[in-house]
Amino acid sequence: DSGVTQTPKHLITATGQRVTLRCSPRSGDLSVYWYQQSLDQGLQFLIQYYNGEERAKGNILERFSAQQFPDLHSELNLSSLELGDSALYFCASSVGIAEVETQYFGPGTRLLVL
Amino acid sequence: AQSVTQPDIHITVSEGASLELRCNYSYGATPYLFWYVQSPGQGLQLLLKYFSGDTLVQGIKGFEAEFKRSQSSFNLRKPSVHWSDAAEYFCAVAPYNNNDMRFGAGTRLTVKP
Repeated sequence: DSGVTQTPKHLITATGQRVTLRCSPRSGDLSVYWYQQSLDQGLQFLIQYYNGEERAKGNILERFSAQQFPDLHSELNLSSLELGDSALYFCASSVGIAEVETQYFGPGTRLLVL
Repeated sequence: AQSVTQPDIHITVSEGASLELRCNYSYGATPYLFWYVQSPGQGLQLLLKYFSGDTLVQGIKGFEAEFKRSQSSFNLRKPSVHWSDAAEYFCAVAPYNNNDMRFGAGTRLTVKP
């Protein structure tokens, strides 16, 4: 158990819909990262937040957005969903941003878009 | 651009045999290097990491990895594989500030009895 929690574990929705994935980092961690794991693209970094502020962006689509709240939990919002958005979405957390740190991964949310 | 290559998509070894999983990276400077393991239905667990110093890194579960700058490689090894090691293994590289971590495509390990 990494200490990172993600909800829900599974999500089934239809094309065109919007969903919100939630992540609670390990106690004391200020940085949150979101990743997408799909069969064709592999594991891709989407976005990072540090203490409520966006820190870095990776291959995140414009239809996707994220935020980190004052209590440090984070949400990833996926809108206008397409079939290709079906994937496993991971959240990870680390202590800060001072230097490269270990990222601890949550168990993931499996999204299926029908 | 930075990238990570894991040449072997799938490897099968017998229980008790030794294991080596290959990882090559392409990066302007020596990046920070990681190996993660993902068991079916689970998140990623860090096995070991290399930032600097001794090029032979010890990790959890009896794994080790060796950084070879001349070959741009960071191969993962285990002297004797256990059935519980069957999983997917990911090599990853990250820049100094840890964002935009790049993962390899993964190597799926099957362990034969």
